[in-house]
Order: sequence, then C-alpha cells, then structure tokens
Amino acid sequence: ILNVEQSPQSLHVQEGDSTNFTCSFPSSNFYALHWYRWETAKSPEALFVMTLNGDEKKKGRISATLNTKEGYSYLYIKGSQPEDSATYLCASREHNNNDMRFGAGTRLTVKP
Amino acid sequence: KAGVTQTPRYLIKTRGQQVTLSCSPISGHRSVSWYQQTPGQGLQFLFEYFSETQRNKGNFPGRFSGRQFSNSRSEMNVSTLELGDSALYLCASSLGGTPPNYGYTFGSGTRLTVV
Repeated sequence: ILNVEQSPQSLHVQEGDSTNFTCSFPSSNFYALHWYRWETAKSPEALFVMTLNGDEKKKGRISATLNTKEGYSYLYIKGSQPEDSATYLCASREHNNNDMRFGAGTRLTVKP
Repeated sequence: KAGVTQTPRYLIKTRGQQVTLSCSPISGHRSVSWYQQTPGQGLQFLFEYFSETQRNKGNFPGRFSGRQFSNSRSEMNVSTLELGDSALYLCASSLGGTPPNYGYTFGSGTRLTVV
C-alpha cells in the first residue's frame, strides 16, 4: 500500500472559524477510508468510516466527504471550538489487505 | 464494556535489552493490530493478528515480533533495543473478519524509552 498523505500538517484557527483538511490515498484497490480524532494524552477515537465514492458522513459540527476515483477525502469542522483541538488522522484500507495505513495527521489548534 | 488495555503504560529500557508489551482487546474482538508512533511520524504499521495468526506485517526489522493467544490477547516483543525504538506503541482491536471493514478501538499506548 502506498502512502496516505494529509495536509496541512498543522492548523491554527480562531474559535468560531470553519476549517477543513485533506487526506489523499491510493485510489487503486481502495476499500475503506477511516477518520480518527486523537486528543493529547488520550487514545485515537473513530469518527467516520466511508467506503463508497461520494459518501458523506456527519457527526455534529464535523463532516467528511469521500472521492474514491481521485483518492481524496475532506474533513470539515464548522464553527470550531477549543475542544475540537486534536490531531485528526485518516487511514486507508485496500481490498484483501488486513491493515490500515495512516497518514501523519493534521494537528488542529482552536484558540478561544 | 472494558476498552482495549495496554500494559505497561510507561517503560524505560537500556539499549540491547528486550521488551514485551501486552494488549488485551475488547471482548469479542479477534483482530489486534500494532502501530508505532515516533515524533513527527504518523502511525507506522507493525503487524496484525487474527485468531492467533499473523495476517499482515509492516516494514520493520525482525527484531520486532508478536503473537496472539487463544483469548485474543496479544504481545509484542522487541529484541536488542536501539535508541530509535523509543516511541509510543499503540495497539488497536477490531472485530476483524473478511472483508475487514471495521474501525479500530485503540488502547492508551505504551510509551517506551530506550536509553
């Protein structure tokens, strides 16, 4: 499996701003795309799993989209709050491959 | 429902020593995956076990090994420790199965420091 890439590496926004970041992954043999949220001193927590081209998932102020043909996913946060500060990881699975390969993450800091 | 338990939480070892880390998955989960995270790096895949069999392995040297027991608990062993092995080691459990479209539940990690 080739690299999963995330951008930007870090992001600083003001409370109330909306923001988005990108995950790119190999589109050939794609099976599933996962997003995780990792707060400092805690374990990564699952946000979304998406498998179909055009999938959109939403949880509160956080949403994600998936384009499997071009190999990218966007994560959006509307009206960022300080508690949204975390590292957001994406991970890709291929068909017939039993592991998930993670990007390096986007570190989001929301200033009050 | 108990989460994924990793022990120990912190560990300091000397170069050349070996170390064993333990991971107890969520009850009913049969797949355990191990990842290494070093500063500035993403989670690097080590290996994945399912029903006591290693199904997949990442690009780590043979000093890194693992196993899974019949109760799905997994251990990871690193022999002849090097300074560069200092990292956070995360284990993640999932239902597994084929095709594997389940998300992970992560443990809190073991922070290994090699001096």
